[in-house]
Amino acid sequence: GNSVTQMEGPVTLSEEAFLTINCTYTATGYPSLFWYVQYPGEGLQLLLKATKADDKGSNKGFEATYRKETTSFHLEKGSVQVSDSAVYFCALRGNNAGNMLTFGGGTRLMVKP
Amino acid sequence: GAVVSQHPSRVICKSGTSVKIECRSLDFQATTMFWYRQFPKQSLMLMATSNEGSKATYEQGVEKDKFLINHASLTLSTLTVTSAHPEDSSFYICSAEYLAGGINEQFFGPGTRLTVL
Repeated sequence: GNSVTQMEGPVTLSEEAFLTINCTYTATGYPSLFWYVQYPGEGLQLLLKATKADDKGSNKGFEATYRKETTSFHLEKGSVQVSDSAVYFCALRGNNAGNMLTFGGGTRLMVKP
Repeated sequence: GAVVSQHPSRVICKSGTSVKIECRSLDFQATTMFWYRQFPKQSLMLMATSNEGSKATYEQGVEKDKFLINHASLTLSTLTVTSAHPEDSSFYICSAEYLAGGINEQFFGPGTRLTVL
């Protein structure tokens, strides 16, 4: 079945540091890949997505590139802010999975001023 | 656009009572809605898929008689936790499916925190 593995947190960074959160997946065919962000006490918000190999999703300074050869979708940001502190979830939707999302375990990011 | 709301945002109830959580798509029609459960510091676990006008499809291990799902209209799905117990305390999140940019996307509600005393 489909699965998503992402690095365990928490990840603690200083403001303006470079961020990488690793995400790898297992799926048959060509899944769509997503990053969601969850701020404290809230639901999930879609951060970015990519639907085919070599696509780059980007939003709010965050980027992730769909790498089929390494089955990865690592999240990056060049300069984090305190307001980026949240939990980040990598997810995939298989193209034959009835539109169900499979989530990674989540990575908590803490950015200190 | 594509906003999903949940009500209530927080609920505290006594053991043995039932609690209903509403999930609404505010500006679009959703034939499919999903219900998730999230334990503290853990990921989301899909509980069930709710399709308008038909019975919900439950994931393995989820008791359908305990977690009643009704998708009565294209903008409303409800989750009722029946005879709630402290172990049902959790964060419940719904999502609604919407065609965006040529692919179906899930838009998530803000979640409902249930505490059973």
